[in-house]
Amino acid sequence: AQTVTQSQPEMSVQEAETVTLSCTYDTSENNYYLFWYKQPPSRQMILVIRQEAYKQQNATENRFSVNFQKAAKSFSLKISDSQLGDTAMYFCAFVLVGNNRLAFGKGNQVVVIP
Amino acid sequence: DAGVTQSPTHLIKTRGQQVTLRCSPKSGHDTVSWYQQALGQGPQFIFQYYEEEERQRGNFPDRFSGHQFPNYSSELNVNALLLGDSALYLCASSPYSRGPYEQYFGPGTRLTVT
Repeated sequence: AQTVTQSQPEMSVQEAETVTLSCTYDTSENNYYLFWYKQPPSRQMILVIRQEAYKQQNATENRFSVNFQKAAKSFSLKISDSQLGDTAMYFCAFVLVGNNRLAFGKGNQVVVIP
Repeated sequence: DAGVTQSPTHLIKTRGQQVTLRCSPKSGHDTVSWYQQALGQGPQFIFQYYEEEERQRGNFPDRFSGHQFPNYSSELNVNALLLGDSALYLCASSPYSRGPYEQYFGPGTRLTVT
């Protein structure tokens, strides 16, 4: 079974600064997707960014970017120019291509301070 | 375009009772997955429905069952409720051809078992 590990359970960051969340995963497979989801207090799970394992180029979505290190099985998320609306739980998730069950980590709480 | 909707928002049940949760997928989506999110944890995959059949199942007992209707909406049923079933239940929908790559989540149903 695939496992996803997130450390640093809670992080605080000043508005406009940068924060990086770490995620590692364990798999013996080669084809998979990785995701970062955001869950604000409203509970809605929102997709932040996704990465296909076969792509070497790191994904970027506006202020969000990832550092994907396939050999190290590492998938970190960088939030630049943090905004108050970024305050949320952030979950790293993994799924094998052809499968449908997302495996989630335990989450990182990010608090943006004005 | 309405996203994924779930009902009810909150529910309180007693041990031993049965509960039904409902999910309507995003327009154009034909696949529905259900996840259980215990407090302070990441979501755990329960099962997925496509073409009115259960296609994949996570490590959940038979007390958890589901159904998908011709309009792609879905129900999650839990029998003989236990205190440990208290959780946020998330529904996610996607187009089958895209799998979890385009999976959108609903706001969830908070189930409390007393």
